[in-house]
Amino acid sequence: EMVMTQSPATLSVSPGERATLSCRASQSLSSNLAWYQQKPGQAPRLLIYGASTRATGIPARFSGSGSGTEFTLTISSLQSEDFAVYYCQQYNNWPPITFGQGTRLEIK
Amino acid sequence: QVQLQESGPGLVKPSETLSLTCTVSGGSISSHYWSWIRQPPGKGLEWIGYIYYSGSTNYDPSLKSRVTISVDTSKNHFSLKLTSVTAADTAVYYCARGRSPRFVLPFDPWGQGTLVTVSS
Repeated sequence: EMVMTQSPATLSVSPGERATLSCRASQSLSSNLAWYQQKPGQAPRLLIYGASTRATGIPARFSGSGSGTEFTLTISSLQSEDFAVYYCQQYNNWPPITFGQGTRLEIK
Repeated sequence: QVQLQESGPGLVKPSETLSLTCTVSGGSISSHYWSWIRQPPGKGLEWIGYIYYSGSTNYDPSLKSRVTISVDTSKNHFSLKLTSVTAADTAVYYCARGRSPRFVLPFDPWGQGTLVTVSS
């Protein structure tokens, strides 16, 4: 089973600053990785797929990079609505379909 | 745009069967792959399984013996049954669609989710 490890577990950043979230896979994924954002009481929302392609309607301040086993989600200038939990998900080697454990992005 | 809405009992007794339905609006269920995902309180996301509109399915190996996902194209909905539930099955249950017609993943969009509590 593919294991996805996200770091850090919690990231404290001030509004307007840059946030960098990491996701590591236990095996190579090529570029078959997605990022989701989940706000309290809401369903996850797809942000990025194919490691670097923004989903429809996602602001340009969100960007994804990486391939193989190391991936990064960058939010260039944090807005108040960006503070949430972020999950990575691999779709290269499944089933099972696996998610990372999440990174909580909180206001510093 | 396509919207998904989960429905079903919010409380299920231990050892009984959890049954949920996901109704698709704004588009036809007769395309795309359709999945169930759950999230225990305060925890991460767990994939349960998917179904294609034709009826083909795939389940998480850890749940496979207890899960059945079915589709009713005439009602534009698909359903989840999870048997012999325990407290460990308490979670918010989400339904979701594969982003493009030929692919299971990634999931986009998602339903709003429904909390199912297993308790006597």
